[in-house]
Amino acid sequence: NAGVMQNPRHLVRRRGQEARLRCSPVKGHSHVYWYRQLPEEGLKFMVYLQKENIIDESGMPKERFSAEFPKEGPSILRIQQVVRGDSAAYFCASSPLGGWGTEAFFGQGTRLTVV
Amino acid sequence: KNEVEQSPQNLTAQEGEFITINCSYSVGISALHWLQQHPGGGIVSLFMLSSGKKKHGRLIATINIQEKHSSLHITASHPRDSAVYICAVMANNDMRFGAGTRLTVKP
Repeated sequence: NAGVMQNPRHLVRRRGQEARLRCSPVKGHSHVYWYRQLPEEGLKFMVYLQKENIIDESGMPKERFSAEFPKEGPSILRIQQVVRGDSAAYFCASSPLGGWGTEAFFGQGTRLTVV
Repeated sequence: KNEVEQSPQNLTAQEGEFITINCSYSVGISALHWLQQHPGGGIVSLFMLSSGKKKHGRLIATINIQEKHSSLHITASHPRDSAVYICAVMANNDMRFGAGTRLTVKP
């Protein structure tokens, strides 16, 4: 599990502000996945990215949410104009190859609280 | 009905007991993962299975592809095993998760 770094670990935002969540994958991994875990609920897939490409964003809300994984630097999950319902734990995972047919390594998560 | 069902939802055991957590799924999958989530903490991937059985320390995971069922076993359970255990399957390039099993091991 070592190697996937997410920051910040905790993030508090007021309604209407923007939240930026960062994920640095394991060195050498080019596939990144974002998941959301709402309070008392299970994990939900949000988006799957490969370097500079969005492969599958079927789990992303259509508005206010975006994700990127640039050639250099971490993957960013961006939530614009946050609302209380966005309060959740957001987890990032990385893998060396695509899909879940390979080992996936998780970050510690970012806990977003919208006040 | 969820595509990935876990049972039990909650499990309390005494230290030293043998633990079994079950996962049934209704879709064709290419792989199944068992994840462990500690309270307030991150997630650790315990196993990735596509067939058969894997063992790591006191943890054993099995999968029966024909029956679409997997089990996670913990032998000689310990309070530090207390966590939520999540079954996740990869199906059609999509990841689906069970609701998790909350395990509490009492000393």
